[in-house]
Amino acid sequence: DAGITQSPRHKVTETGTPVTLRCHQTENHRYMYWYRQDPGHGLRLIHYSYGVKDTDKGEVSDGYSVSRSKTEDFLLTLESATSSQTSVYFCAITRGQGVYEQYFGPGTRLTVT
Amino acid sequence: AQKVTQAQTEISVVEKEDVTLDCVYETRDTTYYLFWYKQPPSGELVFLIRRNSFDEQNEISGRYSWNFQKSTSSFNFTITASQVVDSAVYFCALQGGSEKLVFGKGTKLTVNP
Repeated sequence: DAGITQSPRHKVTETGTPVTLRCHQTENHRYMYWYRQDPGHGLRLIHYSYGVKDTDKGEVSDGYSVSRSKTEDFLLTLESATSSQTSVYFCAITRGQGVYEQYFGPGTRLTVT
Repeated sequence: AQKVTQAQTEISVVEKEDVTLDCVYETRDTTYYLFWYKQPPSGELVFLIRRNSFDEQNEISGRYSWNFQKSTSSFNFTITASQVVDSAVYFCALQGGSEKLVFGKGTKLTVNP
């Protein structure tokens, strides 16, 4: 158990509404990541953070923003949700700096109608 | 650019059969890390193994074994005497000189009783 929680676990929202997903960790890890998982695409990195207020883009960052105002929380925001953002979203952490395995949260299933 | 290819989209075997999941990767980095993750039907992502590019020794853990061959850029995963509980989607992933993991699209393994 990597001490990662995600909220909400399930959400249905309408096109055009803003949505914020939260990732919370209890072990003071520096690196945190947001991925989306879609059939036929595996997991794709959206954004990641290497410290408080330090974030960078992944391969599918368009339409998403992130914030990290404290070590334990990493927020993913969809400013104006679209149906193409219907997906399962996973948060992950690494336990050490640099190249270490990532441990994942339980996921959030988001449906945009 | 980094890329991971899992050519087998789905595999179906009968319990007790051996099965090998293929993973081929591309990277220009001389130092890199390879990973395997398991995603059972319940949806969580479970870390299985990490291997660095300097260590080509094969690894065995119970019924699981991994074969890393730099000459063919492959990191294959074999399950010996498969069991129904092995049914899952398995992901291979690569991390090179950055903090980002690149995942393959996954192989869905079904073990039938």
